[in-house]
Amino acid sequence: DTGVSQDPRHKITKRGQNVTFRCDPISEHNRLYWYRQTLGQGPEFLTYFQNEAQLEKSRLLSDRFSAERPKGSFSTLEIQRTEQGDSAMYLCASSSPIWDDNEQFFGPGTRLTVL
Amino acid sequence: ILNVEQSPQSLHVQEGDSTNFTCSFPSSNFYALHWYRWETAKSPEALFVMTLNGDEKKKGRISATLNTKEGYSYLYIKGSQPEDSATYLCAFKAAGNKLTFGGGTRVLVKP
Repeated sequence: DTGVSQDPRHKITKRGQNVTFRCDPISEHNRLYWYRQTLGQGPEFLTYFQNEAQLEKSRLLSDRFSAERPKGSFSTLEIQRTEQGDSAMYLCASSSPIWDDNEQFFGPGTRLTVL
Repeated sequence: ILNVEQSPQSLHVQEGDSTNFTCSFPSSNFYALHWYRWETAKSPEALFVMTLNGDEKKKGRISATLNTKEGYSYLYIKGSQPEDSATYLCAFKAAGNKLTFGGGTRVLVKP
């Protein structure tokens, strides 16, 4: 399978714990995006990387959230001191300006539940 | 803050019937309008990327139209089948790379 993969698919944690999610984009895609979807809403943009550079961050991304893409391949999203309001589906997408700058390919998401 | 709205939020369709729903978006700074289909426990699947006013795109029984001047797009499903049951998301792209999504239209096709 050469699509976008995310790990884990589900995560249940207690309030105050730290969690980390991983996204592996399509191998030739240099752009990577994180979105968050809460119940009843559409996905909301969190942040965007081109290669290893984090080029844009949403105001939704509080200081408890940090994203990295150290080698320009996979990315991690860490949430420190989780709160119940962090419960959501976290989606990763990738794209390549070589193929089609417009199209973003999504992974299956990581569903986070904070108890 | 960009406002992307989808209506209705949900709809039930009898198998074999056709249906359509709407996405409205800002008419300024338009770059592209995306439609995705998202089935439970799967990745959102790209249906269409539309960039030109008046665009009409088709994929099997699903088609979409685009009006960038008035800021709306319609998605049509002809002869709905149970496998069409999913949430359909539209996403607006201005200059830049992020997508701004609507809330989705959840479609349930009843056999």
